[in-house]
Amino acid sequence: QQQVKQSPQSLIVQKGGISIINCAYENTAFDYFPWYQQFPGKGPALLIAIRPDVSEKKEGRFTISFNKSAKQFSLHIMDSQPGDSATYFCAAKIGNEKLTFGTGTRLTIIP
Amino acid sequence: KAGVTQTPRYLIKTRGQQVTLSCSPISGHRSVSWYQQTPGQGLQFLFEYFSETQRNKGNFPGRFSGRQFSNSRSEMNVSTLELGDSALYLCASSPWQGGTDTQYFGPGTRLTVL
Repeated sequence: QQQVKQSPQSLIVQKGGISIINCAYENTAFDYFPWYQQFPGKGPALLIAIRPDVSEKKEGRFTISFNKSAKQFSLHIMDSQPGDSATYFCAAKIGNEKLTFGTGTRLTIIP
Repeated sequence: KAGVTQTPRYLIKTRGQQVTLSCSPISGHRSVSWYQQTPGQGLQFLFEYFSETQRNKGNFPGRFSGRQFSNSRSEMNVSTLELGDSALYLCASSPWQGGTDTQYFGPGTRLTVL
């Protein structure tokens, strides 16, 4: 049973634009929601994370928006750059339990 | 600090063989988790070890096993390899200081089963 649904599967954004990736979860016990960025041939790297007591978290050009009532969270990449082209995974976990990942979004930033 | 290291980085095996993959966590990290990544199934949790004990286990057959040593290094073993075991195997470590810990991933071992 997939507990974290991620969309879109792939996304093409022009340089300088805003990239938006969405995730929805089912288990209301999740208390930690990280986003990972993965480049080809590399392991996923933690990008930014949020807990459900906060509705938004911003780190540089990356922002997580969290809607607890809708059980949704999203990643916004402002001023998208070609170097942001990668696969992005949302995830969720309860305490020290395992990470449950979304299916990934392949982001391509075109000049 | 050095990151999570995994060896070997690439491996080619044939059906029926067995394979052992190794993971060295970030210094001071006590928890090691293993994930399988495939294009079709995405990132799937295999198991997690803490203080040499398996804490969590995913839905994989018994052919997949692991262990953790006293220095927190971990190995995973896959016996009787099948074509479907071809995947990127990722190891992640976390400090496990209580509460919710961030997991840091290694570069993975690319396993190809022929």
